[in-house]
Amino acid sequence: GQQLNQSPQSMFIQEGEDVSMNCTSSSIFNTWLWYKQDPGEGPVLLIALYKAGELTSNGRLTAQFGITRKDSFLNISASIPSDVGIYFCAGQRGEGAQKLVFGQGTRLTINP
Amino acid sequence: GAVVSQHPSWVICKSGTSVKIECRSLDFQATTMFWYRQFPKQSLMLMATSNEGSKATYEQGVEKDKFLINHASLTLSTLTVTSAHPEDSSFYICSATDRGYEQFFGPGTRLTVL
Repeated sequence: GQQLNQSPQSMFIQEGEDVSMNCTSSSIFNTWLWYKQDPGEGPVLLIALYKAGELTSNGRLTAQFGITRKDSFLNISASIPSDVGIYFCAGQRGEGAQKLVFGQGTRLTINP
Repeated sequence: GAVVSQHPSWVICKSGTSVKIECRSLDFQATTMFWYRQFPKQSLMLMATSNEGSKATYEQGVEKDKFLINHASLTLSTLTVTSAHPEDSSFYICSATDRGYEQFFGPGTRLTVL
């Protein structure tokens, strides 16, 4: 099935550093979402973006919906140990009842 | 609010047996539920979309006769893996929505087929 192109696949950083990851698609999505998944658990929604060009923050997290509606990025500032996990972007063409297309994930590892 | 549960959280079965996984929305009515499969170190891949009271819509390449989905009520959907084989071992995750913008994910079920 279709997947979004998410990069980087993995990141190894020091605690306190900022993190940036992005997602691109060859087709348009009307909603972009960013999730975090801890080992053995389901994904948890971090940020949802509904309008092209929208920049949204949630604490230390900031995400933007690309103006072309084909890309999005997620930034995490001043990383802390609990930020460790796998981050997924997801695109959705319609409202909540529409299926999600996921990126390949970015595995974040933090050295204390 | 908006809690989705799955049962069991993990299951081990012998090859050739069938396994049923339940997905429940605990505090809202889920008009649509989705079933995903996630292999180790890979992303979530949508298997099927189920709307309450109607037949599930399967993604290309997913065998509907092998992965039986029932969404008989607004709070419960079940996925039955029939005649399971080792290659069916995976992490199965459901999500549910009440037609709002957000899908709420369950905690997942790890299936191991021996």
